Amino acid sequence: QVQLQESGPGLVKPSETLSLTCTVSGDSISSYYWTWIRQPPGKGLEWIGYIYQSGNTNYNPSLKSRVTISIDTSKNQFSLKLISVTAADTAVYYCARWGDGFDFWGQGTMVTVSS
Amino acid sequence: QSALTQPASVSGSPGQSITISCTGTSSDVGGYDYVSWYQQHAGKAPKLMIYEVSNRPSGVSNRFSGSKSGNTASLTISGLQADDEADYYCSSYTSSSTLVFGGGTKLTVL
Repeated sequence: QVQLQESGPGLVKPSETLSLTCTVSGDSISSYYWTWIRQPPGKGLEWIGYIYQSGNTNYNPSLKSRVTISIDTSKNQFSLKLISVTAADTAVYYCARWGDGFDFWGQGTMVTVSS
Repeated sequence: QSALTQPASVSGSPGQSITISCTGTSSDVGGYDYVSWYQQHAGKAPKLMIYEVSNRPSGVSNRFSGSKSGNTASLTISGLQADDEADYYCSSYTSSSTLVFGGGTKLTVL
């Protein structure tokens, strides 16, 4: 069974960088697309971007200037960096596998942007 | 990219059927069969219910079905049960090789 687990700071200061890592178990990260999705409190889901094992990436145009997703196949992990954060970036951040749809999800991690 | 359009809320009584629509454009829903649907209970991660318009993952009840006509996809839940009460989201692949979600629909079981 594929499992994903997000990790990283739960509190980030405004203008700083949000960094999260997703550890994948039960499957090799060297196939499928691996994605980040977020959900602000009380709001809907927003796709952030994806990465393939080759390093090929694509991002939500609204976040593209601030987002970087990277992959470490040796650790079976992929990561998210979001620069210059503001309160609007406060959300639950999910990592997920894009196979037949977003078929496996992490439990999500709440990240609050506040001084 | 614009979010796909879903009704904010739908409701139905136990045993009834409901349908949730998801409207996009020819650049997303209408152009690809990569439409999927997700169920999200409060405080939980979303769960895949339908992929590629009408396919059910293993373990998902056959009370859930999906379809598409033109730029609009639909999720139908038959034999409504109390546990179906949740938020539902659609998603589609786009012509920019990105992915986009709908705004979400809150299903209330009366």
